[in-house]
Amino acid sequence: RKEVEQDPGPFNVPEGATVAFNCTYSNSASQSFFWYRQDCRKEPKLLMSVYSSGNEDGRFTAQLNRASQYISLLIRDSKLSDSATYLCVVPFSGGYNKLIFGAGTRLAVHP
Amino acid sequence: DTAVSQTPKYLVTQMGNDKSIKCEQNLGHDTMYWYKQDSKKFLKIMFSYNNKELIINETVPNRFSPKSPDKAHLNLHINSLELGDSAVYFCASLAEGSYEQYFGPGTRLTVT
Repeated sequence: RKEVEQDPGPFNVPEGATVAFNCTYSNSASQSFFWYRQDCRKEPKLLMSVYSSGNEDGRFTAQLNRASQYISLLIRDSKLSDSATYLCVVPFSGGYNKLIFGAGTRLAVHP
Repeated sequence: DTAVSQTPKYLVTQMGNDKSIKCEQNLGHDTMYWYKQDSKKFLKIMFSYNNKELIINETVPNRFSPKSPDKAHLNLHINSLELGDSAVYFCASLAEGSYEQYFGPGTRLTVT
């Protein structure tokens, strides 16, 4: 099993839709998780951190299911500007401030 | 003000050449990284330095040599470039006690 796995998509959704992505991780000891956003031909940027059961920030909700070892990202009322690749990120279990990035899920929001 | 900057932004070169990419951060962070993002968009860590000391050295060909003259700078030198080295190379930095990495804009390297 890969350390971090994501459905690459693309997810094509209309404006206003609700969309959810899942990410599975292999290290059951992981305590913190992150979603980064990467726009086309740009650098990744932190979107949300998930340290316990979940986190909500406006239209974005991240949830953690430790038993099944997956985290999800829910986007409500999708905007055109949400079109990007969403990267699931898990810290390396061996420390050294090393992050393991998933391959990303591409979201395309259309009018 | 640019937090993490990289030069050059684009680099086109021929196989066999040697090239360098430079990175600078003005955030006062102690840890810096080099990542490679290939055509499949997979972001893989290559190296990490903490206060000029190499702490992460992934399985990377020894044609790649990082160098950190001070904690605000991390450069990447690549010898004998190969076609497979074509990718986007991202520099990033990290604050102590945090997991939020700040990425530079990337250097798009094309080897012909």
